[in-house]
Amino acid sequence: NAGVTQTPKFQVLKTGQSMTLQCAQDMNHEYMSWYRQDPGMGLRLIHYSVGAGITDQGEVPNGYNVSRSTTEDFPLRLLSAAPSQTSVYFCASSYSSGAPYEQYFGPGTRLTVT
Amino acid sequence: AQKVTQAQTEISVVEKEDVTLDCVYETRDTTYYLFWYKQPPSGELVFLIRRNSFDEQNEISGRYSWNFQKSTSSFNFTITASQVVDSAVYFCALSGNMEYGNKLVFGAGTILRVKS
Repeated sequence: NAGVTQTPKFQVLKTGQSMTLQCAQDMNHEYMSWYRQDPGMGLRLIHYSVGAGITDQGEVPNGYNVSRSTTEDFPLRLLSAAPSQTSVYFCASSYSSGAPYEQYFGPGTRLTVT
Repeated sequence: AQKVTQAQTEISVVEKEDVTLDCVYETRDTTYYLFWYKQPPSGELVFLIRRNSFDEQNEISGRYSWNFQKSTSSFNFTITASQVVDSAVYFCALSGNMEYGNKLVFGAGTILRVKS
C-alpha cells in the first residue's frame, strides 16, 4: 500500500494563479480531509469529506474548493492564490467517519505564493 | 467550541532526561477523543496514541507514557530517558462527539529538542 500520496511536494505560485493539490489514498478510507500547517498555529482543517460525493467545510475554507468523485481521490483547488495561502498542506484519511480513528497523513505539499 | 492548548512552545533537554509535554483541552462534548502526533524534522505526521474520554487509565508504550485527567482537562505526554531521535514537534489534538465527520482540532505544537 502506498498509503496517502500528495503531489506536488513543492509549488511556487504567483498571486492570482490557480492550481490543484492532488491527494490519493489506497486504503479504501471513507474519510478524507485537508489541513494547512502554519508556524505557531498547529494544523487547521480546510475541508473534509465523509465519502464520495459528500464534502463539507472545516475551520478555514475560504479560497479553497474540494470535490470527491471517487473514494480514492480528494483534490484541493486554490481558486486565486494569495500570499496568505503560503503554507504546508496535508491531506489525511481515516477508516471511518463514525468514530474518530487514527488519521493517516500524506507527506505534505509546501506552497509558496509570491 | 473546542480548543487545545499546548502552552510549551519549545523545550530543550539533554539526552536521558525525562520530559513532559503538556496538553489542556476544552470541549462541551461528553464523548471525545484525544490524540498525540509526532512530526520529526522530515515533516511527516506520525500517530502516537488515541484515547477516548471514558478511558482514564494511563498508558505506557516503551519510553512513552500518557496521563489523562478529565478533572483538569489534561492529556500530558511523558518521554522517559529522552533520545536525540525524539527531537520533533509534538501535537496534541481533540476530536469531539460528532454526528458527522472526523474533524481534529490541533494544538499549536511543542518543539522538543534533545541534545546529546
